[in-house]
Amino acid sequence: QQPVQSPQAVILREGEDAVINCSSSKALYSVHWYRQKHGEAPVFLMILLKGGEQKGHEKISASFNEKKQQSSLYLTASQLSYSGTYFCGTEDTGNQFYFGTGTSLTVIP
Amino acid sequence: GAVVSQHPSRVICKSGTSVKIECRSLDFQATTMFWYRQFPKQSLMLMATSNEGSKATYEQGVEKDKFLINHASLTLSTLTVTSAHPEDSSFYICSARDIQGSYEQYFGPGTRLTVT
Repeated sequence: QQPVQSPQAVILREGEDAVINCSSSKALYSVHWYRQKHGEAPVFLMILLKGGEQKGHEKISASFNEKKQQSSLYLTASQLSYSGTYFCGTEDTGNQFYFGTGTSLTVIP
Repeated sequence: GAVVSQHPSRVICKSGTSVKIECRSLDFQATTMFWYRQFPKQSLMLMATSNEGSKATYEQGVEKDKFLINHASLTLSTLTVTSAHPEDSSFYICSARDIQGSYEQYFGPGTRLTVT
């Protein structure tokens, strides 16, 4: 089951914040976050394994809710280099892995 | 860090021919490799999960006789697109999971296939 991401696309000015959400219809084993630039392979950002977990650093962080069905990626004080398409990847208890629908993020000066 | 290579990076072939794409984990052993296909402006769609020494597990809707996957060693998996057609043109990406148990997937740089 492909997880659903929201929003589909967002445009930010440098320095603004963004939140990208990833939602699954059932409880997950883990959630991964990736950023993909045009024509390139995805780059791993982070993985969350525990319900209620929050991790990352000041600029890019993520959370995983207690029920392990929703995750959010937080981008703070965005930079031009943050532009790209962000995907969550979810793994269920049967070790099935699926990428989310993607969120296109554009940061403008 | 873990490195995964793919070869070739770009291939153009005629309709009806077969194309083989290699995916190698260069500095780690991978019991599991994944093959994805990505059409323009779309998400990565998992095609199959490849486990070393056993048959690949294909996702629903992916023809196993058309997309042959072989995972002969802990560092190499191959995807062969047989009798390719223009609709098979896509970006094919592999990823590998470290045998040591890390949950992270390490992605190859991708292969752009164009079938004319």
